[in-house]
Amino acid sequence: DADVTQTPRNRITKTGKRIMLECSQTKGHDRMYWYRQDPGLGLRLIYYSFDVKDINKGEISDGYSVSRQAQAKFSLSLESAIPNQTALYFCATSDTLGRDEQFFGPGTRLTVL
Amino acid sequence: GQSLEQPSEVTAVEGAIVQINCTYQTSGFYGLSWYQQHDGGAPTFLSYNALDGLEETGRFSSFLSRSDSYGYLLLQELQMKDSASYFCAVGNQGGKLIFGQGTELSVKP
Repeated sequence: DADVTQTPRNRITKTGKRIMLECSQTKGHDRMYWYRQDPGLGLRLIYYSFDVKDINKGEISDGYSVSRQAQAKFSLSLESAIPNQTALYFCATSDTLGRDEQFFGPGTRLTVL
Repeated sequence: GQSLEQPSEVTAVEGAIVQINCTYQTSGFYGLSWYQQHDGGAPTFLSYNALDGLEETGRFSSFLSRSDSYGYLLLQELQMKDSASYFCAVGNQGGKLIFGQGTELSVKP
């Protein structure tokens, strides 16, 4: 079984709809991250969490919110989706050993019409 | 601010050696990482340098010069399966990674 899973894998929605992307991990890591990837722009950090009670904004948090329901679960919400939020979204986890190794989920491809 | 620069595309032939450079500007530098991503799949970790010098892992090596704010990823004995995007990423003491825009490597027969 995959260590980091994301659901759904693909989603098409309409402008104004509320969308939740979910991430679960079995690696036992405290740190979890949400990124979005657009062509030619690399990976940009949306939110990150270093433990269940810790939530931090990343580079591009506007229009997004997150919830850390447990050590293993980190959800990303788009309260009112807009077309420029069409992107590939990745969840990642890491431990605290300082090697900067992050483990990524398979991604969710989101299309907002 | 923080920024990283790497070439957008590199092309090489099978069996050759290719070097992908990365220059960075950042505060609180902690280390330089490299990730590989095949065709929209999950990025996977390749290497990490916190100190100056060369780190070798099989066919891949990574180099860091902290004084020059510069690093590179060296891929030897290129194989077709090495065709992918490669990202450098800078870590700081805040525990975050800032990624470069990626270099698309095409390996030709």
